[in-house]
This record gives sequence, structure tokens and C-alpha cells, in this order.
Amino acid sequence: NAGVTQTPKFQVLKTGQSMTLQCAQDMNHNSMYWYRQDPGMGLRLIYYSASEGTTDKGEVPNGYNVSRLNKREFSLRLESAAPSQTSVYFCASRLDRSNEKLFFGSGTQLSVL
Amino acid sequence: LAKTTQPISMDSYEGQEVNITCSHNNIATNDYITWYQQFPSQGPRFIIQGYKTKVTNEVASLFIPADRKSSTLSLPRVSLSDTAVYYCLVGGGNTNAGKSTFGDGTTLTVKP
Repeated sequence: NAGVTQTPKFQVLKTGQSMTLQCAQDMNHNSMYWYRQDPGMGLRLIYYSASEGTTDKGEVPNGYNVSRLNKREFSLRLESAAPSQTSVYFCASRLDRSNEKLFFGSGTQLSVL
Repeated sequence: LAKTTQPISMDSYEGQEVNITCSHNNIATNDYITWYQQFPSQGPRFIIQGYKTKVTNEVASLFIPADRKSSTLSLPRVSLSDTAVYYCLVGGGNTNAGKSTFGDGTTLTVKP
């Protein structure tokens, strides 16, 4: 099993460009998450999807959109990238309830110039 | 969601026992306490979880007092490879089943 797979691993954008970060899990998990982590900081929740067909805002949703394409895939889109969105992005999934462990991908390092 | 408070950083030496405490004063009846470990350039990974009293696995122990308003992660005989950021999360049960927020964690530095 691959677990949680994120693509790409690295990306450089110019201000105003758009892009989509992809995330897929093969553990048949219901819930999926997108976090961002700025240097020296903790993880902040951007959006999450408690189950297929639902998405909800986290702590820092502004400037992002998400799509729960199916049970396996949860994408994060930056419509008009800004330098403040330079960060490492992590996707995570869990089976269902919040007391179950989260499984993380290896992250996407995004730089916006 | 229960807010958690942890020390920002801790230093230790190889072979010592390290205890990291997390405060969660407004923990709900259905909430569990979960600890994650994060190495540089990697996503966090699960270490241990508990609801009350004491839980032990091959990596760590988790101590939870009767009032459950705090918890202590105990790492026995740390090595240099235990240098990482440790996060305490509180959540679970039937409420807010989807949302999980991390604080800034505790940066543990193990010295030789």
C-alpha cells in the first residue's frame, strides 16, 4: 500500500498563477485533510472533507478551493497564487472519527515568487 | 474543539527520559488524546493515543490524570533520532468528527 500520495513534491509559481495539488489515499479512508506548514510553525488546517461529497473550511481557507473528487482523491487548488502561500502543504486521511489516527503524505513544497 | 497548550521547546541528552506535558482544560467527555511526531521535511506520524490513566507502546507512554485536563508524553531513554516536533491533539467521539487542528507543538532537541 502506498498510503497517502501527494503530487507534485516541489513547485515554483509566479504570483497570480494557478495550480492544483493532488492527493490520493488507498486505505479506503472516509476523511481527508489539507494542512499548510510555514517554517518553524505548526500545521494549520486549510480544508477538510469528512466524507465523500462533503467539504468544510478549516482555520485558513482564504485563497484556496478543494474538490473531493471521489473517496480516494482530494485536491487543493490555488486560483491566484500569492507569496503568502509559500509553504509546505500536507495532505492527510483517516478512517472516520477524530479519535482515529491521521496518516500524512510526504508534502508539497510550494514557493510563490 | 479543545484547545491544547504545550511548551514550545525542550532540550535533553541521550539516554535520559523526556516528559512533555500538554494542557487541555476544556476536553470533552468523548475526546481522546493523541500524540504525533514530526521529523523535518516529513509529515507527522502517530505515536500514541489514550483516553484515561496510562497507555504504553513500544515507543512511548502516555499518562492521563483522572480529571483529564492534561496529559504527559513520556519518551524513555531518548536518542539523537528522537529530535523532532511533538504535537498533542484532542478530539474524537461524536462531535466534530472531521476537524483536527494542530498547535505549534513542542520541539525536542536531544544532544549527545
